[in-house]
Amino acid sequence: DAKTTQPPSMDCAEGRAANLPCNHSTISGNEYVYWYRQIHSQGPQYIIHGLKNNETNEMASLIITEDRKSSTLILPHATLRDTAVYYCIAHTGGFKTIFGAGTRLFVKA
Amino acid sequence: DARVTQTPRDKVTEMGQEVTMRCQPILGHNTVFWYRQTMMQGLELLAYFRNRAPLDDSGMPKDRFSAEMPDATLATLKIQPSEPRDSAVYFCASGLPRLAGGDNEQFFGPGTRLTVL
Repeated sequence: DAKTTQPPSMDCAEGRAANLPCNHSTISGNEYVYWYRQIHSQGPQYIIHGLKNNETNEMASLIITEDRKSSTLILPHATLRDTAVYYCIAHTGGFKTIFGAGTRLFVKA
Repeated sequence: DARVTQTPRDKVTEMGQEVTMRCQPILGHNTVFWYRQTMMQGLELLAYFRNRAPLDDSGMPKDRFSAEMPDATLATLKIQPSEPRDSAVYFCASGLPRLAGGDNEQFFGPGTRLTVL
């Protein structure tokens, strides 16, 4: 699975869009990009995944660059409850998932 | 609303005691994962099972840890004997992964917080 790089922390004002970047420059053609988040003291929660097209669901949008070397998770209207650690993972599927350190997002009132 | 359940939620024990953690995966999911999370190491994959068979337990200390799936609705993680360095939050997750890569999301339980004194 490709290594991913994320900033260790980010701030966002409540009500504004939170844009969380992820670099996966060594991603291979069959690797998907997955995003999870972990709110304090809870288990990680799946957010969204994609291969090469942009994806949107009720939680977030995922923008993947054309060369697939990076992606951005967008929380369109961040709330205080979105304060969490966000993990970006690239893998080919199957079973094994390796979580990195993630980005700690602080949403401020 | 289908969820992964884990018991106990909190466990405090003394060094040398046996600890058993239980997980009930979401009905219909055929893959179960065990993770351990500490401040120092982050979230580490210990082992995972597909259709109740262990596929990979390379992340697990073999001498004291064991993981099993007695049936499709129950996964267990045992530590015997427990040591203070085993103190962590242990998460179970389940899913229906596909080898092609898509739709491999995992659903996590609330975790078991283990403290070994």
